[in-house]
Amino acid sequence: AQSVTQPDIHITVSEGASLELRCNYSYGATPYLFWYVQSPGQGLQLLLKYFSGDTLVQGIKGFEAEFKRSQSSFNLRKPSVHWSDAAEYFCAVGAPSNDYKLSFGAGTTVTVRA
Amino acid sequence: DAGVTQSPTHLIKTRGQQVTLRCSPKSGHDTVSWYQQALGQGPQFIFQYYEEEERQRGNFPDRFSGHQFPNYSSELNVNALLLGDSALYLCASSNVRDSNTEAFFGQGTRLTVV
Repeated sequence: AQSVTQPDIHITVSEGASLELRCNYSYGATPYLFWYVQSPGQGLQLLLKYFSGDTLVQGIKGFEAEFKRSQSSFNLRKPSVHWSDAAEYFCAVGAPSNDYKLSFGAGTTVTVRA
Repeated sequence: DAGVTQSPTHLIKTRGQQVTLRCSPKSGHDTVSWYQQALGQGPQFIFQYYEEEERQRGNFPDRFSGHQFPNYSSELNVNALLLGDSALYLCASSNVRDSNTEAFFGQGTRLTVV
């Protein structure tokens, strides 16, 4: 069975500082990996995805993530955070055989202080 | 392209009642998945429809049922509502013939059971 752990429930970061959100997954082979962002009361917007190939993935809004097979991790990073990045972030894993069935982590809430 | 659209946006129901939520997939998509997101949690996979049949199902009771129509739109039905069914219900659409693309999510239907 596939599962995702996001160890940090809440992170507070200053505007302009760097951000890293942790994600660990459990899956028997190389999974499909995703990061989504959710603003209050809204649906999910895809930030980036990893299917195969280069383990450093670039996404929208200046985000990137690195797939590390040895650590079963897919951490999300942004060099300089903007106030508009305050939101809930979800890491998700899907099996290549049925990648549209996603397992999500519990999410990390990001607060940006001025 | 309107993307994935869900209706209604908000709904209040009484315990024991039945509810139907609707989803229109993104143009060109043929697969619809439904997720339940309880407050403060990540989305949980309910089931997925393709070619008008339930293709996969998560760990949800039979009170949760669905349907997919020839135009690929879908309905989620929940019978005998419980207070614990209060959640944001998300619909995601995808194209089973293109495994290199991601699922797109709608804005969700907020269901409150009182």
